[in-house]
Amino acid sequence: DVKVTQSSRYLVKRTGEKVFLECVQDMDHENMFWYRQDPGLGLRLIYFSYDVKMKEKGDIPEGYSVSREKKERFSLILESASTNQTSMYLCASSDPGTEVREQYFGPGTRLTVT
Amino acid sequence: GDSVTQMEGPVTLSEEAFLTINCTYTATGYPSLFWYVQYPGEGLQLLLKATKADDKGSNKGFEATYRKETTSFHLEKGSVQVSDSAVYFCAAKAAGNKLTFGGGTRVLVKP
Repeated sequence: DVKVTQSSRYLVKRTGEKVFLECVQDMDHENMFWYRQDPGLGLRLIYFSYDVKMKEKGDIPEGYSVSREKKERFSLILESASTNQTSMYLCASSDPGTEVREQYFGPGTRLTVT
Repeated sequence: GDSVTQMEGPVTLSEEAFLTINCTYTATGYPSLFWYVQYPGEGLQLLLKATKADDKGSNKGFEATYRKETTSFHLEKGSVQVSDSAVYFCAAKAAGNKLTFGGGTRVLVKP
């Protein structure tokens, strides 16, 4: 089974702090994604990556950056956390070699910025 | 751009009731369509999928049929259980690797 793990289930940070959210997948997937989930808004794509050191902006990249130094790891960085970044963050991965390219999700990190 | 619209919740049902969650999409070409489920405290899991018109995806008693003429992919289950209480997301994948998600529908099944 594909396993996607995220470094923390719950995180509380202060406004202005730099925050790192880590995601690791164990299926050698090339594609990795970061979403945020907010009530009524569904999942919105922040950034995604097709390969090591490759990244593409999603729909809401402002205030975020990402890093992919190794194939299995995709990090989301909040350079200076703000209260409007309080949310559930979900990481996902997929295999571009399959036709359907379904995405596999981690358990999520609930971030609170105070 | 692509978009997915699904009915807002919460949907509250009694056990053994029939469940329908409506989903419609707008996308370029013919997207693959998915239903994901999120149980309390967990990430999303793929529930079922369909890749072309008239395909029916099914899993765990849930079904959804890809209707090109109405651009819909409604989720149904004939007899829900308390364990089906979750948030359900409809999603579409057109060209490329990105998924577009609907807003999610929370379902609560009472015993």
